[in-house]
Amino acid sequence: AQSVTQPDIHITVSEGASLELRCNYSYGATPYLFWYVQSPGQGLQLLLKYFSGDTLVQGIKGFEAEFKRSQSSFNLRKPSVHWSDAAEYFCAAQGNQGGKLIFGQGTELSVKP
Amino acid sequence: DAMVIQNPRYQVTQFGKPVTLSCSQTLNHNVMYWYQQKSSQAPKLLFHYYDKDFNNEADTPDNFQSRRPNTSFCFLDIRSPGLGDAAMYLCATSRDERLVQETQYFGPGTRLLVL
Repeated sequence: AQSVTQPDIHITVSEGASLELRCNYSYGATPYLFWYVQSPGQGLQLLLKYFSGDTLVQGIKGFEAEFKRSQSSFNLRKPSVHWSDAAEYFCAAQGNQGGKLIFGQGTELSVKP
Repeated sequence: DAMVIQNPRYQVTQFGKPVTLSCSQTLNHNVMYWYQQKSSQAPKLLFHYYDKDFNNEADTPDNFQSRRPNTSFCFLDIRSPGLGDAAMYLCATSRDERLVQETQYFGPGTRLLVL
């Protein structure tokens, strides 16, 4: 069955520290991959997406993600976290023939001063 | 700016009293989706419209219905809300589900409280 796994339910980092949020997928073929961010009480905002090509994808707000086929992973990174980055982060995948978006369970990011 | 708009942002209803949530879009997208998101969980797809074609997810309860009177608007009707239906309801759009490499754009959500 197709699935997306975010192993970390909650992560806390210090402001200014680097960040990596993990995402693993299980699909028959390489899916299209997305990272969304959700601030409290808000909808989902697209941070970045991977369809094909360069495996390092740049997104908004200084985020990037790296697709690694060998590890079935699409981890999200940011070199220096800001307090405003505190939010819930969702990794999602879609089959390369289209179809439903499958979400991971989300990772809640807390930023301490 | 082109966007996905949801009204109201917060809705309080009584147990068993029908409620309608609204979504509109200025993106002129063919596809509109409704998701239910309970606290600390991932969004769960309820159904979607491709143009006027309604596509229900197999596990969506009959209590949830939807209408799409035109391209811009889509409504979520909950016929008899139960306490378990309290959640954030997210509307999303995409250009065309027949195309691959499509991105879904989400609205801000409506938080439903059932008393």
